[in-house]
Amino acid sequence: EAGVTQFPSHSVIEKGQTVTLRCDPISGHDNLYWYRRVMGKEIKFLLHFVKESKQDESGMPNNRFLAERTGGTYSTLKVQPAELEDSGVYFCASSYGLAATDTQYFGPGTRLTVL
Amino acid sequence: AQKVTQAQTEISVVEKEDVTLDCVYETRDTTYYLFWYKQPPSGELVFLIRRNSFDEQNEISGRYSWNFQKSTSSFNFTITASQVVDSAVYFCALNRGPGTASKLTFGTGTRLQVTL
Repeated sequence: EAGVTQFPSHSVIEKGQTVTLRCDPISGHDNLYWYRRVMGKEIKFLLHFVKESKQDESGMPNNRFLAERTGGTYSTLKVQPAELEDSGVYFCASSYGLAATDTQYFGPGTRLTVL
Repeated sequence: AQKVTQAQTEISVVEKEDVTLDCVYETRDTTYYLFWYKQPPSGELVFLIRRNSFDEQNEISGRYSWNFQKSTSSFNFTITASQVVDSAVYFCALNRGPGTASKLTFGTGTRLQVTL
């Protein structure tokens, strides 16, 4: 069974440009999460989808970030316009059910560099 | 608010040494879950273990063992007879429960370097 996949693996853009990150969760997983790790710091939660609905978006830094999960399958995270402080590794995770006990499985991350 | 502290930023050991990675957490929840993830050089976060707050039994899986102590709010991870393949960044994380799925709160990670 395929794990969580993320595309692209790396992205280098200039300040002010737009970038869209994609996450494909494990098939059948209703829960999808986005996290971000800024250099050397902790991995921080951004938001959580249950199917196509946003369950918790309390971690989204500002309105330059837009996440979607149309159809409840893959998700995209768009940053527009990108700023220098948006650089970091963006992780996606998915879990099967709605119980807190369900383990979140992570993808390899997308390393975003904003110049 | 929840918080996870991994005070050790980086640890370097020689192969076959035992090493313990510390994790201290803070939460007001009475029920919660603790996790360890491994991030090898390839970048993905690999799930290692989940422990719920009602189960204070220590767990052993091969060379890995975990010591959960509610009294000190710690969930430490020990690798016995370390190997070069254990070199990675290790993250401790906390999730509130029970109820619906929710976000993980991570520590800053401990980079473990195992050399020959």
